[in-house]
Amino acid sequence: DVQLVESGGGLVQPGRSLRLSCAASGFTFDDHGMAWVRQPPGKGLEWVSGITWNSGNIGYAESVKGRFIISRDNAKNSLFLQMNSLRAEDTALYYCAKDIGTAPIGGMDVWGQGTTVIVSS
Amino acid sequence: QSALTQPPSASGTPGQRVTISCSGSISNIGGNTINWYQHLPGAAPILLIYGDNQRPSGVPDRFSGSKSGTSASLAISGLQSEDEADYYCASWDDSLNGQVFGGGTKVTVL
Repeated sequence: DVQLVESGGGLVQPGRSLRLSCAASGFTFDDHGMAWVRQPPGKGLEWVSGITWNSGNIGYAESVKGRFIISRDNAKNSLFLQMNSLRAEDTALYYCAKDIGTAPIGGMDVWGQGTTVIVSS
Repeated sequence: QSALTQPPSASGTPGQRVTISCSGSISNIGGNTINWYQHLPGAAPILLIYGDNQRPSGVPDRFSGSKSGTSASLAISGLQSEDEADYYCASWDDSLNGQVFGGGTKVTVL
């Protein structure tokens, strides 16, 4: 089965860091772009960051640029999101998602169940 | 404020056709393909339409997408109770160098 499983969420104080992981299985990981998408409580979906199959191109939403770092390890079929200088507005359910193509610019056809990040003192 | 604009709500009775609009600009919809997602509470989003009007395998043909200029639409024909969900449009934005989502449209089956 094609599957994405996120981990690493939790309760963290403002200003601190957290690292999310996404384990992929059931497909050729390094054939696809990957992305992180979040949903704050009571709000809509927001694209956070995306990375091409070979990490050659990376993009970030303005709201996280300079604070978050996306990366991937194709040998381990894993995607990561290093979140630094966390703010209350980063509180959300974070999804890992697979793009249908090699870049994170198209449709995302496989999603994980999400991991919850709560930023609060 | 989202780069893509959707109506907050839409509704219809079972069997009806419902259309959801998505308005953007030349930097997103006007120059790139659009995708549509269905999102039910507590579940992962589902890709309904990609590449403006393509359906992934497994998505019923009741769902269809179209695009003209800087606007796009998702149509749900033969509305069913299980179609009650939030629907989002999304597209790559060349100016922002990232994907942008619409604010979402909540579809209610009356």
